[in-house]
Amino acid sequence: ETGVTQTPRHLVMGMTNKKSLKCEQHLGHNAMYWYKQSAKKPLELMFVYNFKEQTENNSVPSRFSPECPNSSHLFLHLHTLQPEDSALYLCASSLEDSEAGNTIYFGEGSWLTVV
Amino acid sequence: QKEVEQNSGPLSVPEGAIASLNCTYSDRGSQSFFWYRQYSGKSPELIMFIYSNGDKEDGRFTAQLNKASQYVSLLIRDSQPSDSATYLCAVNGNTDKLIFGTGTRLQVFP
Repeated sequence: ETGVTQTPRHLVMGMTNKKSLKCEQHLGHNAMYWYKQSAKKPLELMFVYNFKEQTENNSVPSRFSPECPNSSHLFLHLHTLQPEDSALYLCASSLEDSEAGNTIYFGEGSWLTVV
Repeated sequence: QKEVEQNSGPLSVPEGAIASLNCTYSDRGSQSFFWYRQYSGKSPELIMFIYSNGDKEDGRFTAQLNKASQYVSLLIRDSQPSDSATYLCAVNGNTDKLIFGTGTRLQVFP
């Protein structure tokens, strides 16, 4: 089992649908992240949670809504998305204040296609 | 100027050769530097991190950091076809936010 688990791995949704991506980390980390990866673009940081509190919202449209009920679980709620939102969504976690600095570990990703 | 810059490649090297991947960054206050490998259709996996000037070796991989030149590189010795992937450079600056480059695609041919 990987340290950071994401479900579903693949998701196809219509523009009027509401769906959620789920992430769980088993590493005892205290920070969790959502990244978006589109073709030919660098990884884009979307949200950061430290100790369940959101500390970063990188100008993400409100059609993406994160939820972090505890330090092990992270959700990304999706509604009224656009086709350009189709991408690989990566969850990651890290241990703040570790000797390695902010070393983050990624989940396998959720491939999202908006039709 | 991009915050973290990498040549997109592809960088093609023959099996057994040394592959040299380069990365420059703009934030002079950056403290920690990371190399991730990403196979096609997969998520990035951490290879190494470095935060002191000089070289850091781990098996066939060597990370090199030169803060004065704002330059970090990854050398892969005895390259194998299984090393073919995209290599992402990431830099952790004063904001504590990890900034990624677009990655360099490496192709190792037999």
